[in-house]
Amino acid sequence: AQRVTQPEKLLSVFKGAPVELKCNYSYSGSPELFWYVQYSRQRLQLLLRHISRESIKGFTADLNKGETSFHLKKPFAQEEDSAMYYCALSGYSGNTPLVFGKGTRLSVIA
Amino acid sequence: DGGITQSPKYLFRKEGQNVTLSCEQNLNHDAMYWYRQDPGQGLRLIYYSQIVNDFQKGDIAEGYSVSREKKESFPLTVTSAQKNPTAFYLCASSNDRAPYEQYFGPGTRLTVT
Repeated sequence: AQRVTQPEKLLSVFKGAPVELKCNYSYSGSPELFWYVQYSRQRLQLLLRHISRESIKGFTADLNKGETSFHLKKPFAQEEDSAMYYCALSGYSGNTPLVFGKGTRLSVIA
Repeated sequence: DGGITQSPKYLFRKEGQNVTLSCEQNLNHDAMYWYRQDPGQGLRLIYYSQIVNDFQKGDIAEGYSVSREKKESFPLTVTSAQKNPTAFYLCASSNDRAPYEQYFGPGTRLTVT
C-alpha cells in the first residue's frame, strides 16, 4: 500500500535557522514524490517535485530510496515560509491521484 | 489565479439535505479530483475522474457522488448519508503528460448543522 508519513504536525524555527520537514513513504516500486505548500488564504500549490531536482524559494528535497525519505530542506528560514506543507506520492505514471501526508505546519519566528 | 474554480467559497446546509459543490477548469485537463481536507488529517481522496463519463471511488467515497458529463466540470454532491460532512473540500485537475502536476482550486468550506 502507498503511504506518506509526516511525523511532525508543527515545526517552529527562528528566522535564519535551517529547516527540515520530514517525509517518509511506503511504496514498493519507483515513486514520484512532491511537496505541496499552502500559504494562509491561498490555494494549495506545488512547491517542488523530485524528478526535477530543482530548488524553489530556496527549498530542496532529495529522494533517498534506501531510507524511503523525501525530506524538504532550506538552509535559512524566512518568515514568509510559514505555511502548511504536504508531502505527496504518486505510485504510477499517468493521471493518478496523489497520496498525501497529513501535513506539517511550519512557523518561522522573527 | 484562475484555471480551476470552485464555488461557492462557503456553504451552509442543514443536516439531511444534499448539497452540490461546483468545480470547473479551463486548463483542458483530462483528470479531475476531489479531496477532503480536515485538520490533522491531510488530504483524503473522495473521487477522481480520468476521462469524461468515467470516475473512480477514492478512499472515502461513502456518502458522496460525482458526475463528469463535461471535461471542464466535475461537481461533487455531498449526500445526507455522509456522516460527517463539515469539512474543507478541494478540487484538483492534472494534465495528461508528465509530470502530471495537480492544480488545485481555492476550496469550498461546507458547514452542516
